[in-house]
Amino acid sequence: QQKVQQSPESLTVSEGAMASLNCTFSDGTSNNFRWYRQHSAKGLEVLVSIFSDGEKEEGRFTAHLNRANLHVSLHIREPQPSDSAVYLCAVENYNQGKLIFGQGTKLSIKP
Amino acid sequence: DAGVTQTPRHEVAEKGQTIILKCEPVSGHNDLFWYRQTKIQGLELLSYFRSKSLMEDGGAFKDRFKAEMLNSSFSTLKIQPTEPKDSAVYLCASSRTGSDTQYFGPGTRLLVL
Repeated sequence: QQKVQQSPESLTVSEGAMASLNCTFSDGTSNNFRWYRQHSAKGLEVLVSIFSDGEKEEGRFTAHLNRANLHVSLHIREPQPSDSAVYLCAVENYNQGKLIFGQGTKLSIKP
Repeated sequence: DAGVTQTPRHEVAEKGQTIILKCEPVSGHNDLFWYRQTKIQGLELLSYFRSKSLMEDGGAFKDRFKAEMLNSSFSTLKIQPTEPKDSAVYLCASSRTGSDTQYFGPGTRLLVL
């Protein structure tokens, strides 16, 4: 059974400084990794999807995947107060469609 | 293009009642998912449909939770009978295929008294 852990639980970063979030998983055969963002009382918004080791950039959001270390991270460049939200890491077994989510990191951006 | 829609957005039920939550996936998407989100457990998969066929019925949620997909553009999640521990946000998501991005609706916030 895939287990997904996120760290830290919460993070406060000043506006403009880099924000880095971490996610570890237990089963390295998973193929697809996605980062979602959830603002209060709203649905989930997909930020970045990454399928192979290395780096994937989508605007100010960059994901890094290292299967050997069972680790995927998200870096937010020049974060703004509107980026304050809960960030969720999701791991998907190839072609099964099921997502296993981490518990989330609550990110706060101070002006 | 319309995203995933869910109704109602909020629901209050008495213990023992039957409630039905509704979801309309993105047009053209073949896969539909129901999740439950709580502060303690986080996001948990309840049910998963592929081309209207039930692929997963959520294991521990089987006894009082029933999801149905009567056509490709509409799904329901019935909880019968409701219990206070069912208080949570219920999220619906859809994707084109199993390995494509899942797009989520705004959720239904359920409170069971």
